[in-house]
Amino acid sequence: GAGVSQSPSNKVTEKGKDVELRCDPISGHTALYWYRQSLGQGLEFLIYFQGNSAPDKSGLPSDRFSAERTGGSVSTLTIQRTQQEDSAVYLCASSSAATGKDTQYFGPGTRLTVL
Amino acid sequence: QQQVKQSPQSLIVQKGGISIINCAYENTAFDYFPWYQQFPGKGPALLIAIRPDVSEKKEGRFTISFNKSAKQFSLHIMDSQPGDSATYFCAASSDGNQFYFGTGTSLTVIP
Repeated sequence: GAGVSQSPSNKVTEKGKDVELRCDPISGHTALYWYRQSLGQGLEFLIYFQGNSAPDKSGLPSDRFSAERTGGSVSTLTIQRTQQEDSAVYLCASSSAATGKDTQYFGPGTRLTVL
Repeated sequence: QQQVKQSPQSLIVQKGGISIINCAYENTAFDYFPWYQQFPGKGPALLIAIRPDVSEKKEGRFTISFNKSAKQFSLHIMDSQPGDSATYFCAASSDGNQFYFGTGTSLTVIP
């Protein structure tokens, strides 16, 4: 595809359930970011992958959140035992520069609603 | 703690007018300042970016003004159009690995 894709576009789940959100970055992009966007808030950094380096997990809000990136391409963000405060739009972005300073291309996001 | 503070939260401008959105930061290590535009249901898209070695950058109707001593930067949209109606985010980064975003400004341009 031409851009970053994310799936599902919408996810409704019950409190306490686990969810997996998927991100397909632009082919060849070595850097991948996950952000959370809550209503009225800016984009909150969650995690950053760069090539084969250890990910920067400093933004993950709790140990219920985890992410992996397989083969340096597709990434999955997993939220265990979801809570209502996890409801937000989860955005993925990728970029091509080794320093990460190049343009970040964002996907359309996954809107998560925890009932 | 909000690393980048953005104002106003919302802005209404007449068609043809100038839209101005402001951001302020504290971390003097920040050296890359992008602005993103987001339409409903879409992810943010890079609009324009500046590095602190220049005080102004212009691309078409969009201009970033940067004041290093005041630790402030702003986005100016000249001749604002209804199609510019969107949410705008400023951001800052020091190492290109982690970006800090403002809380966003919802711009409405009235025809």
